[in-house]
Amino acid sequence: ETGVTQTPRHLVMGMTNKKSLKCEQHLGHNAMYWYKQSAKKPLELMFVYSLEERVENNSVPSRFSPECPNSSHLFLHLHTLQPEDSALYLCASSLAGGLGYTFGSGTRLTVV
Amino acid sequence: QQQVKQSPQSLIVQKGGISIINCAYENTAFDYFPWYQQFPGKGPALLIAIRPDVSEKKEGRFTISFNKSAKQFSLHIMDSQPGDSATYFCAAVYNQGGKLIFGQGTELSVKP
Repeated sequence: ETGVTQTPRHLVMGMTNKKSLKCEQHLGHNAMYWYKQSAKKPLELMFVYSLEERVENNSVPSRFSPECPNSSHLFLHLHTLQPEDSALYLCASSLAGGLGYTFGSGTRLTVV
Repeated sequence: QQQVKQSPQSLIVQKGGISIINCAYENTAFDYFPWYQQFPGKGPALLIAIRPDVSEKKEGRFTISFNKSAKQFSLHIMDSQPGDSATYFCAAVYNQGGKLIFGQGTELSVKP
C-alpha cells in the first residue's frame, strides 16, 4: 500500500470515551502532521513531528495527545472531547523542511 | 489572525468557462505558494505551486498568477469541467520551514 493511510475513516464517540486515530505513510517521509478541518474554516495545523520529535504544538487542548513512535506512524489520542471537536482530522507527511505534503483521506470524527 | 485570505467562498461556473480564485497574504517570509484540490471524502492533493520569483505558472488548464508587490496570487482554471468541481485551497509556506498555512477554501461547482 502506498501513500498516506488513515484509520478509521469514521468515528463516533461520546464525550467520556477514549479513542485513537492512526496514520501510516509509505513514502519514505520523515515529517508528519495533524490538521483539523472544520466546515467553512481553513485547515488548522495541530501538531508537527519532524524526525520523530514534536516540533510544534499549535495551542491544542490537552484532550488531544499525539504520538509518533517512528517516522512511518502517527497517532492522535483523544479523551474527554467536546462536541465542537467534531471535524475531519487529516494527517499529512513530507520530507523534513520539504514542500511536498501528501495528505491522507482523513478521519471524520463526531463527538456526541 | 488570518495569514492567507481566500475568496470567494463558493463559485459556480458553467462548463467551458474560466474559474478564478484569489488569495492574499501579509507575511513576506512566505516563499512558496501551492494550491490544493480536495474532493469529497478525500484529503487535499497538490495541484500546482509557484515561487514568488515567477509571475505565472501554467500546467495544462491550471494557471497561477502571482503579484509579489500586491502580495496576491490567483488560480485560473480554463475550460472548466464538471470533474473540476471540488474545494480549492491556496496555501503559503514559510521560507525553509515547510509549514503550510491554508486559506479558507473555495467550493467550486462547474455546471454542465
